[in-house]
Amino acid sequence: ETGVTQTPRHLVMGMTNKKSLKCEQHLGHNAMYWYKQSAKKPLELMFVYSLEERVENNSVPSRFSPECPNSSHLFLHLHTLQPEDSALYLCASSQDTVSNEQFFGPGTRLTVL
Amino acid sequence: TQLLEQSPQFLSIQEGENLTVYCNSSSVFSSLQWYRQEPGEGPVLLVTVVTGGEVKKLKRLTFQFGDARKDSSLHITAAQPGDTGLYLCAGLPGAGSYQLTFGKGTKLSVIP
Repeated sequence: ETGVTQTPRHLVMGMTNKKSLKCEQHLGHNAMYWYKQSAKKPLELMFVYSLEERVENNSVPSRFSPECPNSSHLFLHLHTLQPEDSALYLCASSQDTVSNEQFFGPGTRLTVL
Repeated sequence: TQLLEQSPQFLSIQEGENLTVYCNSSSVFSSLQWYRQEPGEGPVLLVTVVTGGEVKKLKRLTFQFGDARKDSSLHITAAQPGDTGLYLCAGLPGAGSYQLTFGKGTKLSVIP
């Protein structure tokens, strides 16, 4: 149990669908992150939130829309995705953005048809 | 852009053998981390090294940070099937930075 949970664990969607990924951390952390893990590529940082404020958006296409309603929850809203967006989407949290110890959730395996 | 190259990409060994995997860069990092990721799970932090030349041991795993803080190695002694997984290195460019740069990983299979 890592203290970071993600739902759903698997998701298959068409290019015209709208879906959301959910992440919840039970560690009392103040920073949360979304990463994308594709085959044969390094983990890519997508978004960073600190105390519910977005502090980083690494040139991510607008079809990915994050939301952080409080320090324990993080969402990634998806719409009009492309097949190349198929990947494992990982959520992580840390005490704050200065702490270099990040705790990862199990990920959502996304397939876009 | 800072890059971390990990080698080998794949490694399959028999139980009881020793192995070393490498993480190299042309850039300096303030600290470097090693993670293990098992299928269907997220990465789990194994160790953080922060001082050039530092060596840390975690049971049968030995981690070393290069003197120039540009590279690192992970040595496993007497590998066991439970060591199977994807080993990722990740570097932080500066103190207080949260932007981890990850390598692509080494996929290790330990055959009983």
